[in-house]
Amino acid sequence: GDSVTQMEGPVTLSEEAFLTINCTYTATGYPSLFWYVQYPGEGLQLLLKATKADDKGSNKGFEATYRKETTSFHLEKGSVQVSDSAVYFCALTPSSGTYKYIFGTGTRLKVLA
Amino acid sequence: EAGVAQSPRYKIIEKRQSVAFWCNPISGHATLYWYQQILGQGPKLLIQFQNNGVVDDSQLPKDRFSAERLKGVDSTLKIQPAKLEDSAVYLCASSAGTGYYGYTFGSGTRLTVV
Repeated sequence: GDSVTQMEGPVTLSEEAFLTINCTYTATGYPSLFWYVQYPGEGLQLLLKATKADDKGSNKGFEATYRKETTSFHLEKGSVQVSDSAVYFCALTPSSGTYKYIFGTGTRLKVLA
Repeated sequence: EAGVAQSPRYKIIEKRQSVAFWCNPISGHATLYWYQQILGQGPKLLIQFQNNGVVDDSQLPKDRFSAERLKGVDSTLKIQPAKLEDSAVYLCASSAGTGYYGYTFGSGTRLTVV
C-alpha cells in the first residue's frame, strides 16, 4: 500500500542554519504531497503542498519539490528560527482522489538560539 | 473563523472502561475525519464522514470503536472497552468538500489508558 518515510529526529540546529528534512514515498500513480507542521499544544497546520511532478510548494521560507524520479519531497529552509521548532509531518493523498491522508512518522525540529 | 473544536483535551481512564470524544467541525464543512496519532507515529485515519454518511471506516477497530455524526454536524467517537494500546491523541479534522481545500485539524484529545 501507499506509505511515507521520513527521517527520524530529533533534528537540532542553531538559529540561521540550513534545514533539510528528508521524505520519500511509495504510491501508485500520481499522489499529491504535503508537509504539515505541529507546534506544541496545537493542531496540525498545512505548511505547503505539491500536486504534480516537478511542482515546488513554498510557504514561510520553507520549500519542497515533488520529485517523481526519486519519489521524494524533501523539506528545506535556508535559515531557521527558534520559532520554527515543531514537529514536521510529510504526507500524501492517493491519486485515486480520496483525501485520506497517509502521514509519515514526523520529525521533531529543535532550533537553538 | 472558528476552528475545529474538540473536547475534552485530556482524558485518563483505566483499561476496560469506556470513553467518548466530541468534535464540532467548521461550520459548513461537509466532510469530517477522525485520526488516531500514537506517540512517535503519524496520524492514521480511523473514519471519514461525508455529511452524516460513512465514506471510509476501513481502519476503525469496529469491535471496540464506534463513531457517529449527528445531523451531519457534530461527531462523537467512542471506545468501549479501552485497551492500553488505545493511548493516543485523537484528532478530528473537517473539510469543505472531498478535497484538501480548507482541511483543518483540531487540537486533539490526548487519551491515556492505564
